[in-house]
Amino acid sequence: GAVVSQHPSWVICKSGTSVKIECRSLDFQATTMFWYRQFPKQSLMLMATSNEGSKATYEQGVEKDKFLINHASLTLSTLTVTSAHPEDSSFYICSASRMKADSQPQHFGDGTRLSIL
Amino acid sequence: QKEVEQNSGPLSVPEGAIASLNCTYSDRGSQSFFWYRQYSGKSPELIMFIYSNGDKEDGRFTAQLNKASQYVSLLIRDSQPSDSATYLCAVNVEDDKIIFGKGTRLHILP
Repeated sequence: GAVVSQHPSWVICKSGTSVKIECRSLDFQATTMFWYRQFPKQSLMLMATSNEGSKATYEQGVEKDKFLINHASLTLSTLTVTSAHPEDSSFYICSASRMKADSQPQHFGDGTRLSIL
Repeated sequence: QKEVEQNSGPLSVPEGAIASLNCTYSDRGSQSFFWYRQYSGKSPELIMFIYSNGDKEDGRFTAQLNKASQYVSLLIRDSQPSDSATYLCAVNVEDDKIIFGKGTRLHILP
């Protein structure tokens, strides 16, 4: 089955630090990857769609200058939380669909738990 | 506003019984429907997906889709304690983008 790897699993850092999270598709090429955020006891909220070779598409209310997304290759997307503050503490999860496969399911990485002190 | 609605639960089901999880969606243009299982503190895991009206079976799981009623369900037969989790219904809204319901917490009683 499709495997999506996400790194790191846990990050604890001081307020004001920038944090980079990597998302890799290990056994397939993904032209599109997705970044979600999940607060405790809430559902997944889509933050942005990461497109290989072009700019990410951000959902309404998500600051693109705060959450920088880079999709440099067909197997790697990165999310950088810039100048993180305690309110950015959350569970960040990426997902990917297989290339050129309409309506194929999204497969999720294991998530990154971010705690800002 | 495109929405996916689920009963938050918890839904308590005796071990060995059938668990029935339901979901409704607002976007009539949706074509793809997914059920994910999420254990506490973990990321979602794909359980089933369905594209056509009717039933789709995979082991102990059956997904049911009724596009006319905008209704998706998931049946879990012979429920096991390991099935206790939050089940997320997801629906595509455009291209590969999907939106999630808030999830139903399922508790299988030993």
